Amino acid sequence: GENVEQHPSTLSVQEGDSAVIKCTYSDSASNYFPWYKQELGKGPQLIIDIRSNVGEKKDQRIAVTLNKTAKHFSLHITETQPEDSAVYFCAVKGNNAGNMLTFGGGTRLMVKP
Amino acid sequence: DAGITQSPRHKVTETGTPVTLRCHQTENHRYMYWYRQDPGHGLRLIHYSYGVKDTDKGEVSDGYSVSRSKTEDFLLTLESATSSQTSVYFCAISDITFSYNEQFFGPGTRLTVL
Repeated sequence: GENVEQHPSTLSVQEGDSAVIKCTYSDSASNYFPWYKQELGKGPQLIIDIRSNVGEKKDQRIAVTLNKTAKHFSLHITETQPEDSAVYFCAVKGNNAGNMLTFGGGTRLMVKP
Repeated sequence: DAGITQSPRHKVTETGTPVTLRCHQTENHRYMYWYRQDPGHGLRLIHYSYGVKDTDKGEVSDGYSVSRSKTEDFLLTLESATSSQTSVYFCAISDITFSYNEQFFGPGTRLTVL
């Protein structure tokens, strides 16, 4: 089955700095790559996603890049703010009947004011 | 939370007792999923449903069963709870409206098995 690895597991940045989280996956047939943000005591919230026919997607301060050859994708957050502090998860959808997602282990991002 | 509610939100039970968690959605989404979340493991799929009475196993289905008798409800049952099933459980939905790609999550149920 699909294997997704996410790094780093924790990340501490100063407010205003950039943060980058990386994920690698194993199944070359994977075609959809979402990122979720989870705040304490809440369910994961979809913040950005990218499909396999696109190399980069941007939405205000967040962007995702995809390298299908190397089988990795990254989340970039610029001008970080304290409210960006949360746990972030990457996920991968392969070519499966149930539209199932496989998640990375998560990154705890702390933005220090 | 995309019209998704989960009940109960918190539950403490004892080893060996049966437990049923409920996921309810109000917008007739076709796909529903149950995940468990444990530190360092992200979210792992337990079971999913692609329609009424249509279900299939996920990555960590042992010890769990599911049922979907109505579009709006997806039940997760632990027949005989064990301490290893202490976790936070999340329900998610997907639909053709989202190209069957995006999944949207409920608020979660924290289950403690003593």
